Amino acid sequence: QSVLTQPPSISAAPGQKVTISCSGSSSNIGNNFVSWYHQLPGTAPKLLIYDDNKRPSGIPDRFSGSKSGTSATLGITGLQTGDEADYYCGTWDGSLSAGVFGGGTKLTVL
Amino acid sequence: EVQLVQSGSEVKKPGESLKISCKGSGHTFSSDWIAWVRQMPGKGLEWMGVIYLGDSDTRYSPSFQGQVIISADKSISTAYLQWTSLKASDSAMYFCARPGYSGYIAFDIWGQGTMVTVSS
Repeated sequence: QSVLTQPPSISAAPGQKVTISCSGSSSNIGNNFVSWYHQLPGTAPKLLIYDDNKRPSGIPDRFSGSKSGTSATLGITGLQTGDEADYYCGTWDGSLSAGVFGGGTKLTVL
Repeated sequence: EVQLVQSGSEVKKPGESLKISCKGSGHTFSSDWIAWVRQMPGKGLEWMGVIYLGDSDTRYSPSFQGQVIISADKSISTAYLQWTSLKASDSAMYFCARPGYSGYIAFDIWGQGTMVTVSS
């Protein structure tokens, strides 16, 4: 059971927009920055969003992050088949004094 | 190019010890933190702990405290993850990663992963 809750799977057609939610509590999302990653099979995760809504260099603006209270959201517009991957949210948990991840969301681009 | 290179896959028996490594290059890592992340087969990411290469200050997740040892040698920009007595349940992919932004969770650089298989 992950500390952060994500939907297990989501699907959409190419070109559409999707959002992936990440729900936590005041000890984690509510008081700490959230990061988002995607992971292709057999590879290391890749950072998409940090500090709730900032994109590292090289990440297209099709990817966006937002946060409200104890929930965060990753948005992806203009879906491409190459976006098919597992997506994870992560943040610091002050009660645990440890980093925590969501359980992951498998995105299928139909 | 700034990168983290991990040691190769390992196959061990229950009860054996193991130490895997994560070496940084292309950058002075002595002032960086390096974290370890576990991914069990078909499962999600788990934050294990983080170490500051400068002085080996280490933070562990409660889930992994006492189960593993995280250490570092700043002179060679290398972090280590060690087990003294492996269990079958330690079989997983282990990634090292650098939290390049705020906090200990925004990982901008990842190692390629080390697969650890524990089987009798």
